[in-house]
Amino acid sequence: NAGVTQTPKFQVLKTGQSMTLQCAQDMNHNSMYWYRQDPGMGLRLIYYSASEGTTDKGEVPNGYNVSRLNKREFSLRLESAAPSQTSVYFCASGSDSWGAQHFGDGTRLSIL
Amino acid sequence: GQQLNQSPQSMFIQEGEDVSMNCTSSSIFNTWLWYKQDPGEGPVLLIALYKAGELTSNGRLTAQFGITRKDSFLNISASIPSDVGIYFCAGTGNQFYFGTGTSLTVIP
Repeated sequence: NAGVTQTPKFQVLKTGQSMTLQCAQDMNHNSMYWYRQDPGMGLRLIYYSASEGTTDKGEVPNGYNVSRLNKREFSLRLESAAPSQTSVYFCASGSDSWGAQHFGDGTRLSIL
Repeated sequence: GQQLNQSPQSMFIQEGEDVSMNCTSSSIFNTWLWYKQDPGEGPVLLIALYKAGELTSNGRLTAQFGITRKDSFLNISASIPSDVGIYFCAGTGNQFYFGTGTSLTVIP
């Protein structure tokens, strides 16, 4: 019953620290996505990977990098965290690019 | 970026009432999706719509893909307390776009 698994669930960082958020899916999906969710703004796409070996920028990519490690795993890295990156981060996967997506339970990240 | 206008922003209804919410876009979408998000969890897919005019049901939920491909609605019949949460529409064109959500409160 795993689906999309995100780690960690919570994290507090100081400004300037680096951090990698991990995501893994067990549904054999080709596409994976990273979003951030801020109050009153819905979800905004940070980066996506249409298939293993490819990554592309979404709506709000600045300050982030991603790695599609293999078909199952897609990580999001903050190289130098800033308070504006305080948010809830969701990973999602889908069998087709821009089709129905399935979400993890999120990582709640606070940057002081 | 793409604007998805979702309305209403919030709803307070009595248990047993029907609910209707909708989403409109300035652009044509190929797919419309409806999600529900409970506190502390990720969005869960409720209904996916793939063709203009399509009407799809999932239990007490019914959603339609507008003929113009620029809108969609979601109806919930005979609401119950566990329907509480935030409902998001999402559309896919050249990317994936989310609405800002409708917060639903059901009063027992």
